[in-house]
Amino acid sequence: SQQGEEDPQALSIQEGENATMNCSYKTSINNLQWYRQNSGRGLVHLILIRSNEREKHSGRLRVTLDTSKKSSSLLITASRAADTASYFCATDETSGSRLTFGEGTQLTVNP
Amino acid sequence: GAVVSQHPSWVICKSGTSVKIECRSLDFQATTMFWYRQFPKQSLMLMATSNEGSKATYEQGVEKDKFLINHASLTLSTLTVTSAHPEDSSFYICSATRTSWGDEQFFGPGTRLTVL
Repeated sequence: SQQGEEDPQALSIQEGENATMNCSYKTSINNLQWYRQNSGRGLVHLILIRSNEREKHSGRLRVTLDTSKKSSSLLITASRAADTASYFCATDETSGSRLTFGEGTQLTVNP
Repeated sequence: GAVVSQHPSWVICKSGTSVKIECRSLDFQATTMFWYRQFPKQSLMLMATSNEGSKATYEQGVEKDKFLINHASLTLSTLTVTSAHPEDSSFYICSATRTSWGDEQFFGPGTRLTVL
């Protein structure tokens, strides 16, 4: 079953603006991961944040994790049209790397 | 490194036929592979977890006799959709873990199945 809920479901912004997507989950986790998916394509791993970490950066990406609130956010700074895609969070609840995906946020960056 | 391929990338078949989808880890050994299904504009739903040399573990609601999974080697897992019906039309994605390196799953590019 899906435990991740993401908001917003869809986000439309202008190039250069920042995009923030949120993810909430219900159970204890080992780590939380963010993925990107272009329409009709496979998933691209963006970033992994472990349960004992609060914030992580990778290029224009910034991920936060609040285990007390069971939530995470993905910030994309200085967005580009090429960032247009669906973004999914996924939680790893067990040591077996079994992922549970959120519903996803469809991001559209207008040039 | 850590590339996962899927074959075919798309397939169209008639209702009642069986379709086999391959998932290969090209440059690493994958002890565990996962099969997901994704309907249009929806998220990925885990179908089954496949460990090399053992029977797959299916998620609740996934028919093991309809979706046959074989993980015969450390680089290959196959998903066979038996007696496919139009409602099986979906995007099937596999992933693999390189367990000695940690938690990350590496995803294949997906296979688009259309059942007429």
